[in-house]
Amino acid sequence: GDSVTQMEGPVTLSEEAFLTINCTYTATGYPSLFWYVQYPGEGLQLLLKATKADDKGSNKGFEATYRKETTSFHLEKGSVQVSDSAVYFCALQSYRGSTLGRLYFGRGTQLTVWP
Amino acid sequence: KAGVTQTPRYLIKTRGQQVTLSCSPISGHRSVSWYQQTPGQGLQFLFEYFSETQRNKGNFPGRFSGRQFSNSRSEMNVSTLELGDSALYLCASSLIGTGVSYEQYFGPGTRLTVT
Repeated sequence: GDSVTQMEGPVTLSEEAFLTINCTYTATGYPSLFWYVQYPGEGLQLLLKATKADDKGSNKGFEATYRKETTSFHLEKGSVQVSDSAVYFCALQSYRGSTLGRLYFGRGTQLTVWP
Repeated sequence: KAGVTQTPRYLIKTRGQQVTLSCSPISGHRSVSWYQQTPGQGLQFLFEYFSETQRNKGNFPGRFSGRQFSNSRSEMNVSTLELGDSALYLCASSLIGTGVSYEQYFGPGTRLTVT
């Protein structure tokens, strides 16, 4: 079945460091891919998305490219800030009939950025 | 435009009781999905409602049920609560229509504690 695997955390970085969080997926067909972010005590916020191969999603300095050949959707940011500290979730959205629209999530990666 | 709202935000119940959680989607959104988040299992899909009909269901026991009203508001009910039902319950809404993506927008969640 459809699934997402993302790197386990926690990830600890200094401010202005480069960030990469790896995400790979298994899916039948051509799912859409998402990154969500969760701040303490809050729900999930959509960070970025990509709906087809080679699409690049970007938002607030974060980027991720939908790589069909490697079934990956790695999250990157060139210079992290303290305010980026949160839990990041990679997710895929199925378009198969019986699971249409359902989101499958990775386990989440805790990011802590120190000043 | 107001976001997804969930009530109550926090709830404490005793084993064996039942509970009802409420979700109001973003205005104009017609689909509502529910997810359970626990440290052990991560984020898991419960069910999705669209136009008052359950369109999709995850692998949860029949104690978990839901419904959607004509104004798209949704409720989920858990009967005969077990300690393992303690979790953050997240509701997500999406705008479903011709040519529109299935982006899901999440509410802040209801934190259920079963004692």
